[in-house]
Amino acid sequence: DAKTTQPNSMESNEEEPVHLPCNHSTISGTDYIHWYRQLPSQGPEYVIHGLTSNVNNRMASLAIAEDRKSSTLILHRATLRDAAVYYCILRSNFGNEKLTFGTGTRLTIIP
Amino acid sequence: DAGITQSPRHKVTETGTPVTLRCHQTENHRYMYWYRQDPGHGLRLIHYSYGVKDTDKGEVSDGYSVSRSKTEDFLLTLESATSSQTSVYFCATQPAGGPPETQYFGPGTRLLVL
Repeated sequence: DAKTTQPNSMESNEEEPVHLPCNHSTISGTDYIHWYRQLPSQGPEYVIHGLTSNVNNRMASLAIAEDRKSSTLILHRATLRDAAVYYCILRSNFGNEKLTFGTGTRLTIIP
Repeated sequence: DAGITQSPRHKVTETGTPVTLRCHQTENHRYMYWYRQDPGHGLRLIHYSYGVKDTDKGEVSDGYSVSRSKTEDFLLTLESATSSQTSVYFCATQPAGGPPETQYFGPGTRLLVL
């Protein structure tokens, strides 16, 4: 599986937008970009995924670079509840059902 | 949220004791997974299942076995628990349909091996 690189930690003020970066320079054409997050003392939860085009859902937006070698998860208005570890994960479209987690980015929200 | 429960939620056991963790789902998802999470690591895959009686090893399978006799249940067994197996264990499920499908995670089981 191709690997991803994320900053270990980030801080953001409450009610401001947050941009969480992820580099994946060895991504293949069939890799989907997934984001999961893990709130304290909980299991991970799905946030968003995309292949080539930018994606929006009720939780966040995903901006994918034109060359697909990087992506950014955007939380439009961070709340204290968004404090979590965010994982950027690549998943092949062919026969690989597994998620390979890195260490993610720990996001701290400052009130 | 997929209806995923894990039992027990907390367990303390002694080295050398067999331990079985249970994952139960109510969503009829085809795929099920067991992960462990340790400080300084992300989640690491132990075993997974493509369906009833169809399982395979993940990256950290040594010392663990699994069974899936029903769609809704996926059991993880530590045949002889060791202190290195102290961890938080997460079960996950995924519907059939390919890798873009979402995985849904249970609440976790905290296991302490003394």
